[in-house]
This record gives sequence, C-alpha cells and structure tokens, in this order.
Amino acid sequence: DTAVSQTPKYLVTQMGNDKSIKCEQNLGHDTMYWYKQDSKKFLKIMFSYNNKELIINETVPNRFSPKSPDKAHLNLHINSLELGDSAVYFCASSQAGRRTLDEQYFGPGTRLTVT
Amino acid sequence: DAKTTQPPSMDCAEGRAANLPCNHSTISGNEYVYWYRQIHSQGPQYIIHGLKNNETNEMASLIITEDRKSSTLILPHATLRDTAVYYCIVRVAATSGTYKYIFGTGTRLKVLA
Repeated sequence: DTAVSQTPKYLVTQMGNDKSIKCEQNLGHDTMYWYKQDSKKFLKIMFSYNNKELIINETVPNRFSPKSPDKAHLNLHINSLELGDSAVYFCASSQAGRRTLDEQYFGPGTRLTVT
Repeated sequence: DAKTTQPPSMDCAEGRAANLPCNHSTISGNEYVYWYRQIHSQGPQYIIHGLKNNETNEMASLIITEDRKSSTLILPHATLRDTAVYYCIVRVAATSGTYKYIFGTGTRLKVLA
C-alpha cells in the first residue's frame, strides 16, 4: 500500500549518460513534485505538475525534463549527466493547490551517483 | 539564506521525552521553522512547523524562543520507531510563488530500549 513510490532506489552511472527516474502515487493526488537534496542537505523544488500540466519550473538546467503521462505518474529524465547531478531526488505529491511542505507526501528517494 | 545548526547525534531512553535543539540565529521574520525526519531509506516525513508561537500536534511539540533564534522539538514519549535523523528546516520564499526549504545537517536520534 505504498503511497509514493520511486524507481530505481539507487542509480550509478557515468558522466554523459541519459537516465530516467520514475515516480508513481496512489493517493489520488492531483499535484506531483520533484525535489533535489544535495550533499549539503538542501532540499530544493525542481518541478511541479498539476493534472499533467507543468506549474512550477525552478531554475533547473534544460538537461532535466519532467514527463507526466497521467496525474499518478511524474517521471524525470536527465540528459548528459554531470558530476554535479549527484544527489538524492525525491518525488512528492499533494492535493491540488496545497503546496506547502507539510501537505506533501514524499517518496523514498532515488540516490543518483554520477562518476 | 537562514541556516540551521543541530547537534549531530543524541540518545534517548524509550518512554522518555526527546528534546532536539536547533539554532537558526539568522532567520528572518517571515521564515517558518519546519521539522522533518527521515527514517532509514524513507523519504522526509513531516512532523511540525511554526513561526512564532509554540505548536503541538499528535506527534510532537515545537518550542520557539521569543527572539526566534532557536527552537526545540519535543517528542514527549519516544519509542524505538522514533529512531531517525531529525532535520530542522527554514522555509524561505523562492520563485514561482513557492518556497525553498533549507535543511540543517540533522540530528541522528537513537531511542534506546
């Protein structure tokens, strides 16, 4: 009965590769998010989708492209991976319009290591 | 950006209160303090948040000093399942009408049987 799930849990890859991280939520939420938590433990929002529509796009390199095939899924595709992309990526979801952190449910995270 | 400082680790006996301190001396007047925890291999779990007043919910209490430069998270009756890394977080305004959350380095709380 996992609420927000992500795959894979760990991802080790080389610079220059293209990779995807998948996220699914079974909470019936309309809004989904991608966050990046770097080595300094800063959690920063990257993207937010509401009903498959992009509503938040923070200053993120164009190499990162979110895709939402339906409102229960939000995938993150990363092109030409760089060393600085190494981080833990969290997916989250919430009811529509509820954007503060306390109203979001987080997935377990995907630890991306770029070598 | 405001920064938080937390002790790296603490132990607490099961059934006793766990008091986790956090310093945020550079916090601005409109920046909230949030507490989250991460149990091993899981995503962040919301605990509580506040601005000026002390707050209490079913999980914990948050005590914020009058000058707002520090706060304490209190778990009134710690259980083994409360063993986790606890993050003190300051929420600052970001672009797109949303917020940026600056996590501290966290306190690793170990509840002992």
